[in-house]
Amino acid sequence: DQQVKQNSPSLSVQEGRISILNCDYTNSMFDYFLWYKKYPAEGPTFLISISSIKDKNEDGRFTVFLNKSAKHLSLHIVPSQPGDSAVYFCAASGRGNTPLVFGKGTRLSVIA
Amino acid sequence: EPEVTQTPSHQVTQMGQEVILRCVPISNHLYFYWYRQILGQKVEFLVSFYNNEISEKSEIFDDQFSVERPDGSNFTLKIRSTKLEDSAMYFCASRQGSPYGYTFGSGTRLTVV
Repeated sequence: DQQVKQNSPSLSVQEGRISILNCDYTNSMFDYFLWYKKYPAEGPTFLISISSIKDKNEDGRFTVFLNKSAKHLSLHIVPSQPGDSAVYFCAASGRGNTPLVFGKGTRLSVIA
Repeated sequence: EPEVTQTPSHQVTQMGQEVILRCVPISNHLYFYWYRQILGQKVEFLVSFYNNEISEKSEIFDDQFSVERPDGSNFTLKIRSTKLEDSAMYFCASRQGSPYGYTFGSGTRLTVV
């Protein structure tokens, strides 16, 4: 039962262009959405988040968009840099102490 | 910046042996978690721990698994009798209270042979 889906296992983008990573979810009880970045042999590192009451959150080069009616969120990275190359995980949780549910991840490769 | 520390970074064990994976969460955090990632698959929730007891566990967290917070700083995951399919990266995470405040450790790679 995949409550959080990242349908693109990989994405390649030229340096300087926009990277768009997509995520869909099925559980309407999710209230908090997070994006994590992960390098090999390291733990997930928090990148950016959004709550269900917003539709956009921006932090420097990173912007997350949430479309609640479509149960879809996306992470935009612009401009993309080679150091952005990593696996990006979408995660979601409900209220209280409900655990984070992760997607399968999208491997982003930014080509110089 | 405060970190979640996990030891060992890599553990190789014989099938059927017991292993203990150790974590030191961030000191003022209240909620503690174990997740795992089998190679090439998604990060999966195992168990959450709050107020010295398990608050939620997944189907993966069967009788072979247990968690403890023995001394107020360490948070351990024990697998009593390891199976080949337990081979994975195990991540510890903690948070203070905010739903956004999860901090993950670097993980322990468990290899069962």
